[in-house]
Amino acid sequence: GENVEQHPSTLSVQEGDSAVIKCTYSDSASNYFPWYKQELGKRPQLIIDIRSNVGEKKDQRIAVTLNKTAKHFSLHITETQPEDSAVYFCAASTSGGSNYKLTFGKGTLLTVNP
Amino acid sequence: NAGVTQTPKFRILKIGQSMTLQCAQDMNHNYMYWYRQDPGMGLKLIYYSVGAGITDKGEVPNGYNVSRSTTEDFPLRLELAAPSQTSVYFCASSDRGKSNQPQHFGDGTRLSIL
Repeated sequence: GENVEQHPSTLSVQEGDSAVIKCTYSDSASNYFPWYKQELGKRPQLIIDIRSNVGEKKDQRIAVTLNKTAKHFSLHITETQPEDSAVYFCAASTSGGSNYKLTFGKGTLLTVNP
Repeated sequence: NAGVTQTPKFRILKIGQSMTLQCAQDMNHNYMYWYRQDPGMGLKLIYYSVGAGITDKGEVPNGYNVSRSTTEDFPLRLELAAPSQTSVYFCASSDRGKSNQPQHFGDGTRLSIL
């Protein structure tokens, strides 16, 4: 099955700096890559996603890049703010037929220091 | 729309007891999922369903059962609670489309087994 590796496990940045979180996946058939943000004690919430027919996608301060050849994708957060502090999870779909299952990475704890 | 609703929010069980975690969604989504999240870890898929009457095992199904009698509801059953099942349980749902659709999560059920 699919295996998703996520690095780093913790990341501390100063407010205003950029943060980059990287993930690799094993199944070359994966075609959907969402990123979720989870604040302490809360539900995971989708912040951005990318499909395999696109190399990059941006939404304000957040961007995701995908390299299908190398089987890795990254989350970029620019001009970080304290409210960006949370655990971020990447995921990859192991779509088979009509079954869209996600395999998650173990998460990155991002701390933005004021 | 309430989205995905999980009950209860918290529960303490004794070893060997049984209980049902409830999940309901009002978005008319075909796909529903149950995950568990252990401290400091990512989300692991327990069971999923692609429609009423259809369920399938995920990565960690042992010790759990599910049913899907309606589109809206997807309860998770623990028959003989064990300490290893202490975790936070998240239910999620997604729409059915030509390609992967985002998964929407409930607030979670925090379960402790003592």
